[in-house]
Amino acid sequence: EAGVAQSPRYKIIEKRQSVAFWCNPISGHATLYWYQQILGQGPKLLIQFQNNGVVDDSQLPKDRFSAERLKGVDSTLKIQPAKLEDSAVYLCASSPRAGGGQPQHFGDGTRLSIL
Amino acid sequence: KNQVEQNPQSLIILEGKNCTLQCNYTVSPFSNLRWYKQDTGRGPVSLTIMTFSENTKSNGRYTATLDADTKQSSLHITASQLSDSASYICVVSVGAGSYQLTFGKGTKLSVIP
Repeated sequence: EAGVAQSPRYKIIEKRQSVAFWCNPISGHATLYWYQQILGQGPKLLIQFQNNGVVDDSQLPKDRFSAERLKGVDSTLKIQPAKLEDSAVYLCASSPRAGGGQPQHFGDGTRLSIL
Repeated sequence: KNQVEQNPQSLIILEGKNCTLQCNYTVSPFSNLRWYKQDTGRGPVSLTIMTFSENTKSNGRYTATLDADTKQSSLHITASQLSDSASYICVVSVGAGSYQLTFGKGTKLSVIP
């Protein structure tokens, strides 16, 4: 079974620039998550999709972050404009369906550095 | 406020030795508790998932325990190997059927030869 794919692996941009990350979940997984992991911290949920609908985006800074999952498969996360505090690893995860007992499978993340 | 605290923050052990990592949580209502291993530069990988009724679960040399009464969990690693060097993250799921996960900050384990 192929895992969760993310690209790019690394991205360096200057503050106020825009950036986009891509995620391809495990085939057949209905639920997709985007997390932000700051160095030395555990992941923080940004947004959760169930198929192509948003289930939870309460911690997404909507003034600068946006995400979509148009066909219920791949997803993109965008930051515009970026701030220094956005430097982090952005992890994508997927699970077969929503629910507390579902295992989440993580990609290896995109490491974002803001100069 | 739902919180997950892990101790110690970091740990160094000699190859072949055993170690135990601790996790205390204040999450309510509790659904399940997970331990993840995160290698440097990689995403977290699930080691164990335990529900309220389970008090121990093993995955190879990893054994997790859960005491739902005291809201404590531990991850015991037996006969450590260099490849065990990683961060170990305790994650608690909130509420039956809920998707909300509360993550600890992790324990960074270094196994040295």
